[in-house]
Amino acid sequence: AQKITQTQPGMFVQEKEAVTLDCTYDTSDQSYGLFWYKQPSSGEMIFLIYQGSYDEQNATEGRYSLNFQKARKSANLVISASQLGDSAMYFCAMRENDYKLSFGAGTTVTVRA
Amino acid sequence: GAVVSQHPSWVICKSGTSVKIECRSLDFQATTMFWYRQFPKQSLMLMATSNEGSKATYEQGVEKDKFLINHASLTLSTLTVTSAHPEDSSFYICSAREQGWREKLFFGSGTQLSVL
Repeated sequence: AQKITQTQPGMFVQEKEAVTLDCTYDTSDQSYGLFWYKQPSSGEMIFLIYQGSYDEQNATEGRYSLNFQKARKSANLVISASQLGDSAMYFCAMRENDYKLSFGAGTTVTVRA
Repeated sequence: GAVVSQHPSWVICKSGTSVKIECRSLDFQATTMFWYRQFPKQSLMLMATSNEGSKATYEQGVEKDKFLINHASLTLSTLTVTSAHPEDSSFYICSAREQGWREKLFFGSGTQLSVL
């Protein structure tokens, strides 16, 4: 069964606007972590934000925020004030007790000027 | 922030040869390193987990005799693609977990392997 589901293969967003990338997950572990990574065309995986399953507040890192809804098992990423440099592939990932990361299929974001 | 160095960034080799890819944690000790494979426009697929000083654990469907993993120290893991064939051409990327931290997982910059 798919552990991480990203249903948006691609998204367009206007520069300076906000965009929300959807991510739902499936796990029976009580302790887990959720990550978002950005992968530009160069291939490197850039860590954006982390949310622990026991964290009560939504994580924020600069222009990135994670909308964590535990009961719905969703961990959507919000990018505010989009910039041209935000154009990339974005992956949602989950770490379970074995420390392995399971990745979603990814969402390609294209920021338009 | 922590840095994971991966070399080479790209390699072209002839079919039948072996290729070694290195993954180093530069400023932290990595208890565990992970190796992923990624095809164009697709997600990362975990190949194996390597723990320092012990044998790697391979995911289902990954040939351990083809993809040899060595994790000889807390800062270095290597992936050797043995007797490479064109179907092994892919983007390989490693990640390292900082000892004692659940959430600190850092990635190398990846290696693009092309087998002719």
